[in-house]
Amino acid sequence: AQTVTQSQPEMSVQEAETVTLSCTYDTSESDYYLFWYKQPPSRQMILVIRQEAYKQQNATENRFSVNFQKAAKSFSLKISDSQLGDAAMYFCAYRSPMQAGTALIFGKGTTLSVSS
Amino acid sequence: DTEVTQTPKHLVMGMTNKKSLKCEQHMGHRAMYWYKQKAKKPPELMFVYSYEKLSINESVPSRFSPECPNSSLLNLHLHALQPEDSALYLCASSLRFAFNTEAFFGQGTRLTVV
Repeated sequence: AQTVTQSQPEMSVQEAETVTLSCTYDTSESDYYLFWYKQPPSRQMILVIRQEAYKQQNATENRFSVNFQKAAKSFSLKISDSQLGDAAMYFCAYRSPMQAGTALIFGKGTTLSVSS
Repeated sequence: DTEVTQTPKHLVMGMTNKKSLKCEQHMGHRAMYWYKQKAKKPPELMFVYSYEKLSINESVPSRFSPECPNSSLLNLHLHALQPEDSALYLCASSLRFAFNTEAFFGQGTRLTVV
């Protein structure tokens, strides 16, 4: 079975600085999708960025980018120019082509605090 | 319209009550999901509906009863709940039940069982 590990329960960053959240996963599948979701205190899970395993190019979305290392099974999220609104819980998630895992497998989450 | 709307936002119910949670989307998505989330924990999958048919039931107790009356609507009927069932209940949808489709989440219903 696939697993997703986020080893940093909490992280903190100053406004305008850069922070990296780590995520590793375990799978024997060759194709899959990886996601980073953000959950602010408002509770809604918001998709931050997605990466298909077959694409070697790292995904970017404005200030958010990933470092996807398929061989190492690593999928870290880099947030540049951090803003107060980035404070939230961040979940790394895996989506398998097999039905049992298609409905997202989440890591335990990393709580990010941003200070001014 | 990229919204998944959940009602109510907050619900307090007694252990003998019957209540329902509602989830609606108008994005033409044919897969809908119920997740349960405890504080500071990741969401846990409860049910998946694909084309209005139940595809996955993650061994959820029968006091939770899902229903998908049409492609836009997903309900979760609650009966005889326990205090440990207090949690945030999240609904999500995706274009179809496939790994290469993005899941959109609602804001959740905060349920308290007293």
